[in-house]
Amino acid sequence: GENVEQHPSTLSVQEGDSAVIKCTYSDSASNYFPWYKQELGKGPQLIIDIRSNVGEKKDQRIAVTLNKTAKHFSLHITETQPEDSAVYFCAASWGGSQGNLIFGKGTKLSVKP
Amino acid sequence: DGGITQSPKYLFRKEGQNVTLSCEQNLNHDAMYWYRQDPGQGLRLIYYSQIVNDFQKGDIAEGYSVSREKKESFPLTVTSAQKNPTAFYLCASSILWAETRANEQFFGPGTRLTVL
Repeated sequence: GENVEQHPSTLSVQEGDSAVIKCTYSDSASNYFPWYKQELGKGPQLIIDIRSNVGEKKDQRIAVTLNKTAKHFSLHITETQPEDSAVYFCAASWGGSQGNLIFGKGTKLSVKP
Repeated sequence: DGGITQSPKYLFRKEGQNVTLSCEQNLNHDAMYWYRQDPGQGLRLIYYSQIVNDFQKGDIAEGYSVSREKKESFPLTVTSAQKNPTAFYLCASSILWAETRANEQFFGPGTRLTVL
């Protein structure tokens, strides 16, 4: 089955710097890669996702890149702000009735003012 | 005001008791999911349902049960057979566009269950 590895587990940056979180997946059939942001005590919020027919997707300060050959994808946050501090999860799925999301273990991002 | 609601936010249970966690959505989504989250861990799938009156086991279904009598509701029962039930439980829902297309899942606010 699918396995998703996420690194680093914790990340601390200065406000205004960039942050990069990386994930690798094992199942070459996976074709959907979402990223979630979870604030303390709340449910995860979908912030951006990418499908395997594109290599990069951007939404304001957030971007995701996908390398299908290497089976890894990354989240890039530019001009970080204190409100970006949260736990970020990546996930992978190949779709279909059995292709449920498999999550990484999360990255705790701290943005210091 | 559309979305996914979970209740209660906090739940305390004595050992040996069954408890039921509520999940309701008014997004008209076909599929609903239950996940368990432990500290420092990713989300693990307990059960999911893609259609009313049908549901499938996820990776960690033992000690849990669900029902899907209505499209908008997917309650989870944590039974006394679940040996380590203390965790944060998350419900999610999604549209099912096509059999082979993975779909965006949207999460509720979660229920924190503590066994006393």
